[in-house]
Amino acid sequence: LAKTTQPISMDSYEGQEVNITCSHNNIATNDYITWYQQFPSQGPRFIIQGYKTKVTNEVASLFIPADRKSSTLSLPRVSLSDTAVYYCLVSGGYQKVTFGTGTKLQVIP
Amino acid sequence: DTAVSQTPKYLVTQMGNDKSIKCEQNLGHDTMYWYKQDSKKFLKIMFSYNNKELIINETVPNRFSPKSPDKAHLNLHINSLELGDSAVYFCASSQAQGQETQYFGPGTRLLVL
Repeated sequence: LAKTTQPISMDSYEGQEVNITCSHNNIATNDYITWYQQFPSQGPRFIIQGYKTKVTNEVASLFIPADRKSSTLSLPRVSLSDTAVYYCLVSGGYQKVTFGTGTKLQVIP
Repeated sequence: DTAVSQTPKYLVTQMGNDKSIKCEQNLGHDTMYWYKQDSKKFLKIMFSYNNKELIINETVPNRFSPKSPDKAHLNLHINSLELGDSAVYFCASSQAQGQETQYFGPGTRLLVL
């Protein structure tokens, strides 16, 4: 299984760009990288997914280097409502569903 | 319309009891999951079903038994509850297994006394 490692917590001021990195050294060829957001007392919610290079949607960007051993979630101009736990997930075929430990992002006014 | 729903939302029970948590998805997905999130917020997969067939069965005590009567439902039955079973249990679904986006339910908060 592709184990993932993330920082436990991060603080950021409102309006700043936040980058959260996830390490997945044992990622397999058919694995995708997905990021989820979880607010207190709610289930995780999909943010973005990628396989390689860069992916961007209306919420975030995902940067994946050529070796795919890590990925960086980028949140532009965070607001207080972005305070949540962010999980990195590496998954591919069957038997490969591994969530990271999660990064608790605290946005400060 | 709720995509993935779970009942009950809260469950408080005594050690040794047997309890069930129900999950339903109306997304037409083929794959459903059960996750356990402990007090440290680690999210661990327990089971995965694809079209009513068990696909993933992580190292979970035999006291936990998933049941999928149809592909829209995946229930979790727990026998002889222990203190360590206290956690939040999340049901999720996806179109298929693997890299497909998972949609999570609101969670069931289980407290074993």
